[in-house]
Amino acid sequence: SYVLTQPPSVSVAPGKTATITCGGNNIGSKSVHWFQQRPGQAPVLIIYYDSDRPSGIPERFSGSNSVSTATLTISRVEAGDEADYYCHVWDNSADHWVFGGGTKLTVL
Amino acid sequence: QVQLVQSGAEVTKPGASVKVSCKASGYSFSHYGVHWVRQAPGQGLEWVGWINAGNGQTKSSQKFQGRVTITRDTDASTAYMELSSLRSEDTAVYYCTRESPALNYGFDYWGQGTLVTVSS
Repeated sequence: SYVLTQPPSVSVAPGKTATITCGGNNIGSKSVHWFQQRPGQAPVLIIYYDSDRPSGIPERFSGSNSVSTATLTISRVEAGDEADYYCHVWDNSADHWVFGGGTKLTVL
Repeated sequence: QVQLVQSGAEVTKPGASVKVSCKASGYSFSHYGVHWVRQAPGQGLEWVGWINAGNGQTKSSQKFQGRVTITRDTDASTAYMELSSLRSEDTAVYYCTRESPALNYGFDYWGQGTLVTVSS
């Protein structure tokens, strides 16, 4: 089955840029979604279709997708961005949605 | 506004079944698919399955095939997920979530989650 690989953790100082990667076989051919999940809360869709933002999501959040790695970039990181982040794709060969293992973002 | 409101926490025994409901409001229920996603304590997100709320077609993860039944009641704008032959590893928060065709089928609204605890 299709596997998405994320780093377990990323740390960043406030005001800096955080980069979270999501690796998968030929992921560049898929549409990648990203979710933010704060402790004790339901996930929130922050990026869809590789790089589009739903209404209400700050421009500080951006996404890209190329060949074997999709990337979530958070600019000018704030304390409130501390959360778990998950990438998400449809695996059409297995007719199955797949989540990455999640990345815990720590704001130093 | 769009809301998905789930049923309350459940405590159940190994081998039993559990049925979680997800009542939708604020949109035309039959026009959107509903997915179920679970999260074991301290773990990541896992896709369980989906229902087309319009025609009732379902898909589920192979991991749960034979144990999960997803249904809907369009008159009540409610989706249901039933998981049978429960084991301790099924202890998790179960979320329902709406897929949005306008957002390339991203899951744009989520229920508050239902904690299912399987314990003898």
